[in-house]
Amino acid sequence: QAVVTQEPSLTVSPGGTVTLTCGSSTGAVTSGLYPYWFQQKPGQAPRTLIYDTSNKHSWTPARFSGSLLGGKAALTLSGAQPEDEAEYYCFLSYSGARVFGGGTKLTVL
Amino acid sequence: EVQLVESGGGLIKPGGSLRLSCAASGFTFSNDWMSWVRQAPGKGLEWVGRIKSKTDGGTTDYAAPVKGRFTISRDDSKNTLYLQMNSLKTEDTAVYYCTTEERWNGWGQGTLVTVSS
Repeated sequence: QAVVTQEPSLTVSPGGTVTLTCGSSTGAVTSGLYPYWFQQKPGQAPRTLIYDTSNKHSWTPARFSGSLLGGKAALTLSGAQPEDEAEYYCFLSYSGARVFGGGTKLTVL
Repeated sequence: EVQLVESGGGLIKPGGSLRLSCAASGFTFSNDWMSWVRQAPGKGLEWVGRIKSKTDGGTTDYAAPVKGRFTISRDDSKNTLYLQMNSLKTEDTAVYYCTTEERWNGWGQGTLVTVSS
């Protein structure tokens, strides 16, 4: 089974910009792996932010964007807010299976 | 608005069985592929498995740790998704979420399954 990798933790200053990445043990991440990004705050269910690499839901704040960067999927947060402090998960789709990354704990400090 | 409500969780002994349900509303359930995702206490998200819509064959796929023990099914007449869990192990202890795979635009609040003697 493929392994999906994310940074365990990142810190961003309020108003700053940070990029989270999502890599695959099988090689470069492409749009064909349909990268998704989820946000989860303590005690809450996950919320989907980005689907199919770069598409946003109606509830996704404009400061979040998804892309492919250097062979990985990327989630960029521009203008971080205190409420963006959360765990962020990506997942990739491999044939019949979906595989989550281990998550990135984002601290806004 | 997509609404998903899981139920059926609880405390179960190792080796036991449990069936979870997920009641769906706010969207055309029969059209959507549906997934189960779980989260062990203090751990990350883990995909459990998925069922396609009947028009797409209604087939299922499972993650390796649960294959052969868990079965996903659906009753489109009741807008309900199921997860039958057999031969439960302590490592199956988790909050179980159901989701719609239509842009993954809806998550339930989850139901806690605790496998312990």
